[in-house]
Amino acid sequence: KAGVTQTPRYLIKTRGQQVTLSCSPISGHRSVSWYQQTPGQGLQFLFEYFSETQRNKGNFPGRFSGRQFSNSRSEMNVSTLELGDSALYLCASSLESSGEYNEQFFGPGTRLTVL
Amino acid sequence: SQKIEQNSEALNIQEGKTATLTCNYTNYSPAYLQWYRQDPGRGPVFLLLIRENEKEKRKERLKVTFDTTLKQSLFHITASQPADSATYLCARPGGSYIPTFGRGTSLIVHP
Repeated sequence: KAGVTQTPRYLIKTRGQQVTLSCSPISGHRSVSWYQQTPGQGLQFLFEYFSETQRNKGNFPGRFSGRQFSNSRSEMNVSTLELGDSALYLCASSLESSGEYNEQFFGPGTRLTVL
Repeated sequence: SQKIEQNSEALNIQEGKTATLTCNYTNYSPAYLQWYRQDPGRGPVFLLLIRENEKEKRKERLKVTFDTTLKQSLFHITASQPADSATYLCARPGGSYIPTFGRGTSLIVHP
């Protein structure tokens, strides 16, 4: 079974631009979560989608948004990019909602650099 | 605020020894804790989940303990190997809560 895939793997943008990242979960997984990882803050939860609905949301500004399609694929969008948005963005999928019982499978991440 | 804290200093040990990593949590009482392994340039990989009433859980060379009095979880790797070198993350799973990860501890196993 194929793992979680994320595209693109690397991205360079300039301040003020917007970016869209894509995540394809493991087949049959209905929950997709997004995380931001930086050396200073570690791994921080952005949001979780389950059956096309946002189920949980972290403490990030409204510039960060996401959506999930009927095939469970998910996209996240960051508008008006700032230098501090440079990070590794990770997507994780699980069978059901990312509750305590559910193992999350992470993708390889998208490395975003904002210049 | 609710925090999960891990030792930021790298842990260096000799091959064959037992590695012990610490995870402390403050300002809340998680019912579950998870441990992940992350290699450079890759996403985390789930290793173990332990429930607060389990006290201890094992999987092959891995052992996790959960002490609700100390608000601490310990992660042990016995008979460590250079291939065990990675960053290990402790996490409070989501569900009703926002998933929270520690910053991870880097383990370096020397041959």
